[in-house]
Amino acid sequence: GAVVSQHPSWVICKSGTSVKIECRSLDFQATTMFWYRQFPKQSLMLMATSNEGSKATYEQGVEKDKFLINHASLTLSTLTVTSAHPEDSSFYICSASPGDRETQYFGPGTRLLVL
Amino acid sequence: SQQGEEDPQALSIQEGENATMNCSYKTSINNLQWYRQNSGRGLVHLILIRSNEREKHSGRLRVTLDTSKKSSSLLITASRAADTASYFCAAGGTSYGKLTFGQGTILTVHP
Repeated sequence: GAVVSQHPSWVICKSGTSVKIECRSLDFQATTMFWYRQFPKQSLMLMATSNEGSKATYEQGVEKDKFLINHASLTLSTLTVTSAHPEDSSFYICSASPGDRETQYFGPGTRLLVL
Repeated sequence: SQQGEEDPQALSIQEGENATMNCSYKTSINNLQWYRQNSGRGLVHLILIRSNEREKHSGRLRVTLDTSKKSSSLLITASRAADTASYFCAAGGTSYGKLTFGQGTILTVHP
């Protein structure tokens, strides 16, 4: 089956630093990748949709300068949390779609703790 | 983004019993998907039902979809302790296959 990996699986950083999270589709080409955020005991909130080679589309209320998304290839998308603050602490999950508009394969998530 | 509603928010049952979770959504959809998430882990895709389908089965799972009421239900039959997890519905839209997730149901199956 299709596999999506995320790296790192968890990260602890100091307030003010930037953190990069990678999302890779290991055995298929992902036309579209999605980034979600999940707070404890809550649902997934879509942050942005990225298509290979083009700018990401951000959901309302998500700061594009705060959460930088790059989808440079068909197998890799990165989310950079810039100048992280404690309120950015969350579980970040990516998913990748082969472009059929139905299927999303989810990564295992990255837990971010900002001190 | 709009979030769907799921009920119940939490469900506690004994092994062998059936578990039913309901989901309502607000937008027009291409499909409705159900996912499972174990605590602190990623999502596992369970089943997808298209907007022109009314019922679908997969193993111990049965999903129904009523587009007129914008609602769906997931039935897990003969539950097992290993079914303990959070279950989310996700409405699949037309824009790049974007998913809008419901609030989730926390299912606990007691052995």
